[in-house]
Amino acid sequence: NAGVTQTPKFQVLKTGQSMTLQCAQDMNHNSMYWYRQDPGMGLRLIYYSASEGTTDKGEVPNGYNVSRLNKREFSLRLESAAPSQTSVYFCASLITRRVSSYNEQFFGPGTRLTVL
Amino acid sequence: SQQGEEDPQALSIQEGENATMNCSYKTSINNLQWYRQNSGRGLVHLILIRSNEREKHSGRLRVTLDTSKKSSSLLITASRAADTASYFCASHSGGGADGLTFGKGTHLIIQP
Repeated sequence: NAGVTQTPKFQVLKTGQSMTLQCAQDMNHNSMYWYRQDPGMGLRLIYYSASEGTTDKGEVPNGYNVSRLNKREFSLRLESAAPSQTSVYFCASLITRRVSSYNEQFFGPGTRLTVL
Repeated sequence: SQQGEEDPQALSIQEGENATMNCSYKTSINNLQWYRQNSGRGLVHLILIRSNEREKHSGRLRVTLDTSKKSSSLLITASRAADTASYFCASHSGGGADGLTFGKGTHLIIQP
């Protein structure tokens, strides 16, 4: 199993350009997540998808859109990139369990995005 | 806003010593988790403690949870150079599929 994979690993964009970050998991997990990590900070949730066909906003959704293409894939799109979106983006997945039960998330290796 | 706050922000100790990191959170939780991040890598899950648990062990890791103080601590015993990394606490407060709320992390350096 590859776990959670992300493409690309690195990307440089100019302000106003658009791009899509890809994420896929082969663990048959129901839920998938997109986080961003800024220097010296923890991760902040952008969007998540509790199950195929559903998406919800997280803490910092502005400037982003997501698509849960199927159970395996969850993409993050920047329609008009801004320098404030320079960050490292992490995708994660987990098997949804009952509240208070085990909720370990599995993370991808990250995409390092720079917006000039 | 970040719910969790780790303390200290950075910690440097000698190999073989114990390392203790603390985390505070603001709202009620279902569980609290600790993750490790090596430089330039993704996060790796270390240990989870449920809201009705007070202490949990996993190998050289010991985590405690005090829900009355909304705080948790992670102890790494007999540290090794390979433990050098950033450590994050993450709280799970909502429904089963809700995302985690991360703290800013403690950067741990183990001096050989």
